[in-house]
Parts: sequence; C-alpha cells; structure tokens
Amino acid sequence: DSGVTQTPKHLITATGQRVTLRCSPRSGDLSVYWYQQSLDQGLQFLIQYYNGEERAKGNILERFSAQQFPDLHSELNLSSLELGDSALYFCASSVGGTGTAYEQYFGPGTRLTVT
Amino acid sequence: AQSVTQLGSHVSVSEGALVLLRCNYSSSVPPYLFWYVQYPNQGLQLLLKYTTGATLVKGINGFEAEFKKSETSFHLTKPSAHMSDAAEYFCAVSSSGAGSYQLTFGKGTKLSVIP
Repeated sequence: DSGVTQTPKHLITATGQRVTLRCSPRSGDLSVYWYQQSLDQGLQFLIQYYNGEERAKGNILERFSAQQFPDLHSELNLSSLELGDSALYFCASSVGGTGTAYEQYFGPGTRLTVT
Repeated sequence: AQSVTQLGSHVSVSEGALVLLRCNYSSSVPPYLFWYVQYPNQGLQLLLKYTTGATLVKGINGFEAEFKKSETSFHLTKPSAHMSDAAEYFCAVSSSGAGSYQLTFGKGTKLSVIP
C-alpha cells in the first residue's frame, strides 16, 4: 500500500459524458502527478500540481483539466469523453516538486471505460 | 526532451535463471532513473532509483540496476528469478525542468517466469 488513494476504482460511462477522478496523496506529500496508461500510448504524464498550483503540463487534452485543493487532494476532470479516452488513470504523489528528484508513489489507478 | 527505450516487450526466463531487462535513455541533462513494477490490476511500485552517487543501485526483491552514462543504459537484473517476479516492468527517466520531475516511461517489458 503506497498511501495514495484513488476513487473510484472503476468507472463506466458513455461518450460525450463528463467524469471526475479523485486522488488523495500520501500524508505530507505536496506534489500530485496524473498519468494515463493505455494500450496504444503506454504511460503518459498528463499534469502536475504542487501545493495547489499547476507546475507542469504534459500530453493533456484540452477536454481534460485538473486541480489541487487546499487539503492537497486532487481531481482530474475529463469531459466530452471519447472511446479513445478509455484507459487507466494513475495519480502519484511526492514530497516536493523541486530541489531533488523525489520518489513518486503511485495509487492503484482508476480504470475508465467509455462506451 | 527525454525518452526511454526498453528492448523486448516480452521476456521469458526459467525459474532460478538470471533476469536481465534492458533500458536505454536519452536525456539532455543529467537524468534520474527509475524502475517500476506493475502487477496485474495494480498500481506501479518503485523497485529502485538512481539519482546521484553510486552507479550500482540495489532495490527491493533482490533487483539491482547499473547506471552506465557512456552507454546511456540502466539495465535491471536479478540473479535468480522467482515465480513471484512475473509482472510488467517499466523504466522511467526524469530530470529537473522548471521544477517538475515528471516521469517519462518506456513501453514496458512483461516478464514471464517458467517453472
């Protein structure tokens, strides 16, 4: 158990819909990273938040957005869903965002299926 | 820009045999290198990491990896495979970029252990 929690574990929804994935980082961790794992694209970095502020953006679609709240939990919002958005979405947390390369601890993931 | 190449999407070894999973990276700045393991339907677990210092890094479950700058490699080894090692292994690289340490992953190598 990494200490990172993600809800829900599974999500099935229809094309065009909007969903919200939630992540609670390990206690004390300030940084939250979101990754997408799909069969064709592999594991890809989406976005990072550090202490409530966006720190870096990767291959995140405009239909996707995220935020980190004052209690440090984070939400990833996916809208206008397409079949190709079906994937496993991971959240990872680390102690800090700068200075040294901190280890990232991954949650169990949310499996999104778009039908 | 940074990238990771993992040679062999699928590796099979006999129980008790040497495990060697290959990883080559590309990075324009000194990299931080990681190996993660993913068991079916689970998140990613950090096996080991290289940041600075000793180039031979020991991790959990008897795995180790050697950072070779001249070869831009970070191969993962284990002297004797166990059935429980069957999983997918991901090599990843990160480096400081505007204060973010997002991970760039290879496509993964699925390890099968034959009894």
